Amino acid sequence: DAMVIQNPRYQVTQFGKPVTLSCSQTLNHNVMYWYQQKSSQAPKLLFHYYDKDFNNEADTPDNFQSRRPNTSFCFLDIRSPGLGDAAMYLCATSRGDQPQHFGDGTRLSIL
Amino acid sequence: QKEVEQDPGPLSVPEGAIVSLNCTYSNSAFQYFMWYRQYSRKGPELLMYTYSSGNKEDGRFTAQVDKSSKYISLFIRDSQPSDSATYLCAMSAGSNYQLIWGAGTKLIIKP
Repeated sequence: DAMVIQNPRYQVTQFGKPVTLSCSQTLNHNVMYWYQQKSSQAPKLLFHYYDKDFNNEADTPDNFQSRRPNTSFCFLDIRSPGLGDAAMYLCATSRGDQPQHFGDGTRLSIL
Repeated sequence: QKEVEQDPGPLSVPEGAIVSLNCTYSNSAFQYFMWYRQYSRKGPELLMYTYSSGNKEDGRFTAQVDKSSKYISLFIRDSQPSDSATYLCAMSAGSNYQLIWGAGTKLIIKP
């Protein structure tokens, strides 16, 4: 089945230690998104790639970076995680402006 | 005032009941409306996608959009315990790159 795959499902890191989350897709969608979702809240868009064009949301902290080396893969880098960055991180994809399809997320814990 | 209002619940109903989930919104420019279902520790799953006003049916699910009242609904017929999840509404104006989300309603179907 075509899908959006996020690895790892659970990630534990130390305060201030860089961490990278990964997302891959077999849907061949040209748009990829990263969201942060905290408990009992709606997903919050961090940034998205339209093909190779990177679009950063205005309120996304500088601590968060992203890379998209090819159509299928996208990475979220958190340079110096703080306790407030503990959350579920969701990757989504879409074909153009069609509805977004989500992976099952990576739950990030900060020690 | 939030752009999209959604009662967080929880909404608890007996198995077999008809469930009505709702969102109200303030931006009359919204044209695209989505319902996502999210199980615990999983990513959101697209259930229904509608453009402009009207009804759309898919199996036990019916999505309804009333643009004059700025009100959208999701109906679930013959509800099952497996429908227990959080239901998120999302909407957008000109494109789906940036969705405006409701907070999600937690639904519990009691056997």
